[in-house]
Amino acid sequence: KAGVTQTPRYLIKTRGQQVTLSCSPISGHRSVSWYQQTPGQGLQFLFEYFSETQRNKGNFPGRFSGRQFSNSRSEMNVSTLELGDSALYLCASSPPGQGTDTQYFGPGTRLTVL
Amino acid sequence: QKEVEQNSGPLSVPEGAIASLNCTYSDRGSQSFFWYRQYSGKSPELIMSIYSNGDKEDGRFTAQLNKASQYVSLLIRDSQPSDSATYLCAPGERNYGGSQGNLIFGKGTKLSVKP
Repeated sequence: KAGVTQTPRYLIKTRGQQVTLSCSPISGHRSVSWYQQTPGQGLQFLFEYFSETQRNKGNFPGRFSGRQFSNSRSEMNVSTLELGDSALYLCASSPPGQGTDTQYFGPGTRLTVL
Repeated sequence: QKEVEQNSGPLSVPEGAIASLNCTYSDRGSQSFFWYRQYSGKSPELIMSIYSNGDKEDGRFTAQLNKASQYVSLLIRDSQPSDSATYLCAPGERNYGGSQGNLIFGKGTKLSVKP
């Protein structure tokens, strides 16, 4: 079974631009979560989607948004990029049903804001 | 503000020794606790989960949970150079069976196992 895929893997943008990142979960997984990882702040939760609905949201400004499609693929968007948005953005998917306690992370998208 | 504290390290242990990684958390409502391992340049992967007070063993790994003290630890016995990685602690608010898609992670402890 293929793992979580994220595109693009690397991205360079300038301040003020916007960016869209994509995540395809493992087949059959309906929950998709997004995290931001930086050396200073570590791994921080952005939001979680389940069946096209945002189920939880972390403490990030409204410039960060996301959505999930009917096939469980998810996108996140960052508008008006700031230098501090440079980070590794990780997507994780979780299988449905009882007894599932793990998330499977994708390889991440490395975003650099200049 | 939910907080998860881990010693950033680096924690250096000789090969074959026991590595002890500690984590404290602020949210008394936490129901589940996870340890993730992240190799440099790679994504995190789950290595242990624990839901009840006490010890849980899986191979060379033992997770220990004390909810009253809001403390969870990970012991790695017979440490190997391949265990060198950053270990992330993550309390979850949902109990066993609930999707754990909104974890709050600690900043991680970097472990180095010397041959």
